[in-house]
Parts: sequence; structure tokens; C-alpha cells
Amino acid sequence: QSALTQPPSVSGSPGQSVTISCTGSTSDVGGHNYVSWYQQRPGKAPKFLIYDVSERPSGVPDRFSGSKSGNTASLTISGLQGEDEADYYCCSYAGSYSFVFGTGTTVTVL
Amino acid sequence: QVQLVESGGGVVQPGGSLRLSCAASGYNFNNYGMHWVRQAPGKGLEWVAIVSYEGSKRYYADSVKGRFTVSRHYSKNTLYLQMNNLRPDDTALYYCTKARGVFWFENNLSPDFWGQGTLVTVSP
Repeated sequence: QSALTQPPSVSGSPGQSVTISCTGSTSDVGGHNYVSWYQQRPGKAPKFLIYDVSERPSGVPDRFSGSKSGNTASLTISGLQGEDEADYYCCSYAGSYSFVFGTGTTVTVL
Repeated sequence: QVQLVESGGGVVQPGGSLRLSCAASGYNFNNYGMHWVRQAPGKGLEWVAIVSYEGSKRYYADSVKGRFTVSRHYSKNTLYLQMNNLRPDDTALYYCTKARGVFWFENNLSPDFWGQGTLVTVSP
């Protein structure tokens, strides 16, 4: 149950797009299409952004999109806004009703 | 709207025990699985445990297996985490989270709504 690997930080200017990667193995990301993403602002609980790799819950802006290729999932934020500054975590089903989170990525809006 | 309110955190010595609670409201608690997820100070999220909607199936992270027990009470709409033999590396903010979909299918267990967490500190 090793944590999924994410880059520690990414940054972009307002209006630009940024992509956060989430790399696991065939036991988790590569073996199941149950990757979810969460946004966590300082001092707050995580907020649900994406499930099943690319599905958005109601109320989540379509600026947030997800994808997967092999053992790596990705979250793309398009049209970056100041309010998008936060930590982002991926989470994957890892089989046998267990889950594993990513190491987390801090997004900075320049 | 969904509300999850954790309680029961505090300071405990190594080797001690603590029971966390999570009061759920705003949805049919009895139809959804529930998770515990923790976050050590300044660190990332770590999945801890999951319990099925009817309470019969429970799964744990290796780091807590044999020490922690997750359970739920139907009429009280409450989730619990009994933590025994606590260690300093169990120090964290503990969140309860609701599984996304009803009942118990692999494809609908991702956490969706989160509580605000309760802080557990294990220190001599």
C-alpha cells in the first residue's frame, strides 16, 4: 500500500492550464478505473472533484477534468483561477476493498 | 445536505486507546459504506478503513490492522473508530467520509463527502 506518486508542486498563470499526474501500479491505478481526485484548501476538509477517472460530481466546474493512461492518472485544471490554489490529492481503489491516496500536489497561481 | 461531524479526538499516551465517533445526517446513512481517512500534521492523506453499509464487511490499511476497529450504529446514524495500542505515528486529523454510491459495489466506494475531522495526538 505505497502512496501514489504526485509532483510536489505545479504552477500556472491565471487562464492557463495545469496538469497533475498520479502514478501508481497495475495493482491500483492501472488495474481499476476507480480513480478520484480531491481539492484541499488550507485548514479545510478535502472536496470531491472527480470520480471513476473522469466523471465530475454535480456542482464541480467543467474546468476540472480527469484522464488515465496505463498506471498514470491525470487531473487537468483549465482556465486557472486564483481560487484554484490548493492541495490536490488523487485516490485509487487498490483491490480487496482497500484504497490508496497520492502524495499530494500544491497548485500555485502565479 | 450531507453532514458528517467527527468527535472523540484528544491527547493520549502511547499504548493507550481512544474511540472516535462520526455523526451523519442529511442522507440515508444505512445505505452507504463509510471510510476513515487520516492526515498527519503537514502531511498527505492516508486511507485507514472502510465499513460496508450494513456493517458486516470491514477492511483496513496494513498500518492499523489488528489495532483499529471500524463499526457503525444504525439507529444512531453514527460511525465509530476504536483505536487501541496507539503509537506516536498515529497522530493525525481523522476524517470520516461517505462512500459515493449505495450499498456495496467496488465501482461506487470512492469517498465523496468529508467531515471536518477530529485531532488525535499520541504523546508521552
